[in-house]
Amino acid sequence: NAGVTQTPKFQVLKTGQSMTLQCAQDMNHNSMYWYRQDPGMGLRLIYYSASEGTTDKGEVPNGYNVSRLNKREFSLRLESAAPSQTSVYFCASSEIWPGQFDAYTFGSGTRLTVV
Amino acid sequence: EDKVVQSPLSLVVHEGDTVTLNCSYEVTNFRSLLWYKQEKKAPTFLFMLTSSGIEKKSGRLSSILDKKELSSILNITATQTGDSAIYLCAVEAEGNTGKLIFGQGTTLQVKP
Repeated sequence: NAGVTQTPKFQVLKTGQSMTLQCAQDMNHNSMYWYRQDPGMGLRLIYYSASEGTTDKGEVPNGYNVSRLNKREFSLRLESAAPSQTSVYFCASSEIWPGQFDAYTFGSGTRLTVV
Repeated sequence: EDKVVQSPLSLVVHEGDTVTLNCSYEVTNFRSLLWYKQEKKAPTFLFMLTSSGIEKKSGRLSSILDKKELSSILNITATQTGDSAIYLCAVEAEGNTGKLIFGQGTTLQVKP
């Protein structure tokens, strides 16, 4: 049971470099999310995709872009990394029906350091 | 602005103690409140509370939603060292998107 798979698990970037975080889920969920977690701040939503073919900004989208490649995959791209983007990134997926919501399944996270 | 606030931010207890973690929220369109446990890696789901299900229990863990007070508590009885983790509270506040607003988390350390 793979669930939600994130790659890579760890990454160190230099300021200005770009990279893409990959996320794939095998639960046939329609909705996917990217969050970042910083000490003392809980998880903050970066972008989400309520269904295949749609993406929307969350609370902290600046400096990021996303692609919902298909129903399984949702990638997060940092075009020009900054030290403020040092964080732990979590991908999650869930199933949503009108009036009902299924709790997230999270990936294992990517620890990103920008120097 | 929607927000979720947890208290205390950190807590140290000894095995066997009972703990109560608090979560309060201010959101414009409350739909559900969720509790997660986070150890080394990804958060794992504990409970979901809604208007139609305001109390949940699983073993030594239980949670209650107080819609009048806009808050929830998570109780852990007879704590064990394996309960040491960050406990996250989140609120779903917007229809049909699944977007969650998370609190800061409560870090619980249970000493032997």
